[in-house]
Amino acid sequence: QKEVEQNSGPLSVPEGAIASLNCTYSDRVSQSFFWYRQYSGKSPELIMSIYSNGDKEDGRFTAQLNKASQYVSLLIRDSQPSDSATYLCAVNTGYGQNFVFGPGTRLSVLP
Amino acid sequence: GAVVSQHPSRVICKSGTSVKIECRSLDFQATTMFWYRQFPKQSLMLMATSNEGSKATYEQGVEKDKFLINHASLTLSTLTVTSAHPEDSSFYICSARQQSQETQYFGPGTRLLVL
Repeated sequence: QKEVEQNSGPLSVPEGAIASLNCTYSDRVSQSFFWYRQYSGKSPELIMSIYSNGDKEDGRFTAQLNKASQYVSLLIRDSQPSDSATYLCAVNTGYGQNFVFGPGTRLSVLP
Repeated sequence: GAVVSQHPSRVICKSGTSVKIECRSLDFQATTMFWYRQFPKQSLMLMATSNEGSKATYEQGVEKDKFLINHASLTLSTLTVTSAHPEDSSFYICSARQQSQETQYFGPGTRLLVL
């Protein structure tokens, strides 16, 4: 059974700190990985995707993928109160397949 | 780019009535659309996957006769909740995916309240 796990949190970090969000997955054939942000009462919005091992940076966000260890993480530098949201990890085993979503990690950035 | 809209954003209906929710991809052709449901403080639950021009594939436990899905064009999918009951009250979110792409783009969601 395909599973994606995340710490539900809440993860609290002070403003300006680095927030580190982790996600592990069980299906070794997983090929693509996505991070979404969901504000309370809103739908998810895409932050970034990552397909290859290593780091991928986009502004204050860095996604890290390690397929051998089956984990993907999201780092948020210089965290802002506006980053407070639930972060969803999604894993895809291949083209044409459906995402498997993790339960999400609730992040709270304290001013 | 990759904008998905949903209509209506909120709907209140009486128990026993049917409600139709529309999901549109505004600037791309969506060969596949997904319908999710999310209860308060819970994660997304995939209800069904629909490919343009074919029947939807429903997840286990989702009644296909209660949640009717139509994906008649590459830019429009509809979800009809038939004979809605209070337990169907939820946040319904669609997402869309382009051909040869893996990324799903989400609509803003429809909040359904059944009285």
